[in-house]
Amino acid sequence: SQQGEEDPQALSIQEGENATMNCSYKTSINNLQWYRQNSGRGLVHLILIRSNEREKHSGRLRVTLDTSKKSSSLLITASRAADTASYFCARGPNFGNEKLTFGTGTRLTIIP
Amino acid sequence: GAGVSQSPRYKVAKRGQDVALRCDPISGHVSLFWYQQALGQGPEFLTYFQNEAQLDKSGLPSDRFFAERPEGSVSTLKIQRTQQEDSAVYLCASKGWGTIQETQYFGPGTRLLVL
Repeated sequence: SQQGEEDPQALSIQEGENATMNCSYKTSINNLQWYRQNSGRGLVHLILIRSNEREKHSGRLRVTLDTSKKSSSLLITASRAADTASYFCARGPNFGNEKLTFGTGTRLTIIP
Repeated sequence: GAGVSQSPRYKVAKRGQDVALRCDPISGHVSLFWYQQALGQGPEFLTYFQNEAQLDKSGLPSDRFFAERPEGSVSTLKIQRTQQEDSAVYLCASKGWGTIQETQYFGPGTRLLVL
């Protein structure tokens, strides 16, 4: 079963705007990752953030992690049409367990 | 270099048929994972190999599902006596070795439709 929830389930914004997606989880983690999935490129890794990190950047992406609230957020700045995709958070690898536990995903649509 | 490849990309099976799905991981990657993704959902873990050893098969939904990686490279996921609820995309991922190699690289998936 999936143990993460993304919020919102779907998001539509105008090109150029910022998009924020949230992820909540239930059990403690060592690592949390964000993935993007679209029909063209499949499931692609974006960022990994460790439990001792609070924020991480990669290009137009910013990920935050609040372990006390068991939540993470992904911010995409200056969105582009090519950012249209589903975004998933995934817990793992954690405590020697290599598997990833994915959330339910946020479907992001960028309107040109 | 080449990424993870999977074949076939699409498979239509009649209920009760057996199917075999193949995964070619990135060369040299020690770890290999199988996930099942139902329509509109996130991927769900099925099983994990380190080299040829199947270390975790806790996600396999029934004994109709069987995975192997006999030589520690290519892996096959076999589903016996397919049911309609097996219809999903089956994703394979591979990962390198070492504490900094936490990223799993996913293949394009095999879309299975059971009629």
